[in-house]
Amino acid sequence: QVQLQQWGAGLLKPSETLSLTCAVYGGSLSGYDWSWIRQSPGKGLEWIGEINHSGSTNYNPSLKSRITISVDTSNQFSLKLTSMTAADTAVYYCARGSTGTHFDYWGQGTLVTVSS
Amino acid sequence: QSVLTQPASVSGSPGQSITISCTGTSSDIGGYNYVSWYQLNPGKAPKLVIYDVSHWPLGVSSRFSGSKSGSTASLTISGLQAEDEADYYCSSFTSSSTWVFGGGTKLTVL
Repeated sequence: QVQLQQWGAGLLKPSETLSLTCAVYGGSLSGYDWSWIRQSPGKGLEWIGEINHSGSTNYNPSLKSRITISVDTSNQFSLKLTSMTAADTAVYYCARGSTGTHFDYWGQGTLVTVSS
Repeated sequence: QSVLTQPASVSGSPGQSITISCTGTSSDIGGYNYVSWYQLNPGKAPKLVIYDVSHWPLGVSSRFSGSKSGSTASLTISGLQAEDEADYYCSSFTSSSTWVFGGGTKLTVL
């Protein structure tokens, strides 16, 4: 059974950089795309971007200038989002993209709050 | 403002059926059969309940069903149970090779 476990700092100040990591258990990164998705308070889900096992990335154009998604190890990938503001306060999820059509496994989510 | 439009809330009594709509455009829902639905419960990992418009993931009840007409997709839950109470989100692949989601629908089981 595939499980995604994520971690990272939950409280940031404006202008700081968000750094989150997602580890895949019960499988590896190979053969799938790996995404970051967030949910702002009272709002819907927003796709941030994705990476495949070979390191090719695809980002949401609205966030592209601030995002870096990278592969750390054969079963771990990470997100960096620079210049954080209050508008970036959200629950951030990592997820596995399957057959390029849907997200079949998700992490438990990390609440990230941006406040001075 | 989410890209895909869902009703904010729906409700139904146990045993009844409910349908949640998800409206997009020809650049997303209308252009691809890559609509998926997710169940979100507080503090839990989101759960995939329907993919590719109408397919069930392993382990998901057949009480969940999906369909699409033009640029509008729908999720129907039949035989409502208390455990179905959650937030539901639709998603679609887009012509920009990105993913978009709906604003979410809160399902209340009365």
